[in-house]
Amino acid sequence: KQEVTQIPAALSVPEGENLVLNCSFTDSAIYNLQWFRQDPGKGLTSLLLIQSSQREQTSGRLNASLDKSSGRSTLYIAASQPGDSATYLCAVSPQGGGGGNKLTFGTGTQLKVEL
Amino acid sequence: DAGVIQSPRHEVTEMGQEVTLRCKPISGHDYLFWYRQTMMRGLELLIYFNNNVPIDDSGMPEDRFSAKMPNASFSTLKIQPSEPRDSAVYFCASRRILAGGIDTQYFGPGTRLTVL
Repeated sequence: KQEVTQIPAALSVPEGENLVLNCSFTDSAIYNLQWFRQDPGKGLTSLLLIQSSQREQTSGRLNASLDKSSGRSTLYIAASQPGDSATYLCAVSPQGGGGGNKLTFGTGTQLKVEL
Repeated sequence: DAGVIQSPRHEVTEMGQEVTLRCKPISGHDYLFWYRQTMMRGLELLIYFNNNVPIDDSGMPEDRFSAKMPNASFSTLKIQPSEPRDSAVYFCASRRILAGGIDTQYFGPGTRLTVL
């Protein structure tokens, strides 16, 4: 059974700092990996999606990397802003699992960016 | 598009009562998912549909839970009878497969269920 772990569980940083969120998964036979953002009282918003054949994806100040063989992904946030404060979740879908339908989520990292 | 719509946003009920959660997916999306989020277990997939047909319900916790999708624009998740341990936030999400590519799941705002 796939298990997804995120470290740290919570993180507080001053505005402007670069930071890295970590995600590890136990079964490397994945179809893709996604990073989501969840704001309090709201649903999830997809940030980046990395196919199993890719190494990284970038969107603005966000960069996600994937090392499938070691079962790890990182989300790098450059020049953090208070608006980045949210919970960040990574999720993986298995090969042969309906092409990205059966997502297994990590427990999330709660990020707070302070002024 | 208004995104995925869920109702009600909050539901408080007493143990033993029937609860029905509703979801309207994004128009044109052919996959629909129901998730449950709790502090203890995180976010878990309960069931998903493709073209209104249930594909995988292995995440449904027990027979008290049932889900239907009578048409492409509406789905329900029903709990009967409800128990305090069912208290959680229930999310609906939808997705479409793009020609030659893939697309992510789009989540609704969730229904916060409290069973007393």
